[in-house]
Amino acid sequence: QKEVEQNSGPLSVPEGAIASLNCTYSDRGSQSFFWYRQYSGKSPELIMFIYSNGDKEDGRFTAQLNKASQYVSLLIRDSQPSDSATYLCAVNIGGATNKLIFGTGTLLAVQP
Amino acid sequence: ETGVTQSPTHLIKTRGQQVTLRCSSQSGHNTVSWYQQALGQGPQFIFQYYREEENGRGNFPPRFSGLQFPNYSSELNVNALELDDSALYLCASRVGLNNEQFFGPGTRLTVL
Repeated sequence: QKEVEQNSGPLSVPEGAIASLNCTYSDRGSQSFFWYRQYSGKSPELIMFIYSNGDKEDGRFTAQLNKASQYVSLLIRDSQPSDSATYLCAVNIGGATNKLIFGTGTLLAVQP
Repeated sequence: ETGVTQSPTHLIKTRGQQVTLRCSSQSGHNTVSWYQQALGQGPQFIFQYYREEENGRGNFPPRFSGLQFPNYSSELNVNALELDDSALYLCASRVGLNNEQFFGPGTRLTVL
């Protein structure tokens, strides 16, 4: 089992719709969770982080965390064509290294 | 802008050669992490440096080595390059208690 799993997609949504991106993780000791957006040929850009169960909202983005189910999601409201990118879920299991473990990413395509 | 810069942007090497990649972080970012991102994959943790000492390493062989300098710059060295080393190499600096990590633009390494 992979440590962080994401559906590779592509996830196709029409402009203005809600895009829902999902991620599961295997280590119950995971402490913090991150969503990065990566445009083709560019480096990952941090868009959200969450470490407590529940929802965290920032503009059009909402991150949701359920530690009991080992599940984290990202909702993008009013999706725009400029949101088309690969979304990477990353998990920090804590400890001295603070390394991030990434999923393989979900490709989102927002259709005009 | 993340305040993290990397050089060079692109690099082409041949198998067996050695390469040095460079990263410069903002003042006060005393932790730097290096990641390797192969095409279609999420970033993989190589190692982390804190106050000029390596304090964590992923599943990479010893031919991957690094340095961190007092001026918050860092190097990733790879010896005896292999074809599979072709990837985007990212450095990230840590900010604050939530372990948010902000990536530089990356160096695209191609090994022929």
